[in-house]
Amino acid sequence: LPVLTQPPSASALLGASIKLTCTLSSEHSTYTIEWYRQRPGRSPQYIMKIKSDGSHSKGDGIPDRFMGSSSGADRYLTLSNLQSDDEAEYHCGEGHKIDGQVGYVFGPGTKVTVL
Amino acid sequence: QVQLQQWGAGLLKPSETLSLTCAVYGGSFSDYYWSWIRQPPGKGLEWIGEINHSGSTNYNPSLKSRVTMSVDASKKQFSLKLRSVTAADTAVYFCTRERPITIIGRQEGGAFDIWGQGTMVTVSS
Repeated sequence: LPVLTQPPSASALLGASIKLTCTLSSEHSTYTIEWYRQRPGRSPQYIMKIKSDGSHSKGDGIPDRFMGSSSGADRYLTLSNLQSDDEAEYHCGEGHKIDGQVGYVFGPGTKVTVL
Repeated sequence: QVQLQQWGAGLLKPSETLSLTCAVYGGSFSDYYWSWIRQPPGKGLEWIGEINHSGSTNYNPSLKSRVTMSVDASKKQFSLKLRSVTAADTAVYFCTRERPITIIGRQEGGAFDIWGQGTMVTVSS
C-alpha cells in the first residue's frame, strides 16, 4: 500500500513563503495526492489535488497564493505571502484501488507555524 | 451550500458499540460517496470507510471486521457503527463528502471537499 511521509513541522515569517512536502513511497511515486488544511480545533479543509506532472485542481475559495507542484515522488504545497490564518496542520492524502480493494491513506501531517 | 451535521454518543465503555449519524443538507445525495474519517488526539487522520446512496461500501481493511456503514437515502443520512471499541478508538470522528475531481478535463478520483463538524468519542471504563 502507498505510504505518505511528511516532516512534522515547518515555520516561516509572516509574509514569507513556505514549501511543504509530501513524499510517496517509491513504488507509488506516480500517484495523485490531495492536500488538506486543518486549523486548530477545526475540521480539515480541502486545498487541492495534485498529479505527478504537477497539474492540479484547487478547492472552492482557495486563493492563488496556494500553489501545487511535483517532482518525482514528492508533492509540494507552496504558500506565498504567509498569513497568521495559515498556521495549521497540513495533511496529504491519497486514494487508491489496488487489487480491487479501495483504500485511502493520509500522511502524518506537518504543523506550520507562522513567526 | 452543502452542510454535513453529525451526531452520536461521545462517551463509551470498552466493548460497546460506537454509533454516529451524519445528515446532508443541500445538494445531491446520490451523486457522491460519503466517508467517515477519524483523528486520535494529537495524531493524524485515518480513513474508516465509505458508502454511496445505494449502500455500496468500502472499508479500511484494518477496521473492516468491526465496522458497518449504512445509509437512509430518503433522509439523506448515513451512519457508522464500530463494534467492540477500546481506548485505541478514542478519536474525533468526521463525516465527509467525496467529490469527483477533474484535472485538465480528466477524472482523477475524488477529494473530501465537505466535512462535518466532528464528534469527539472517548472510550473509557
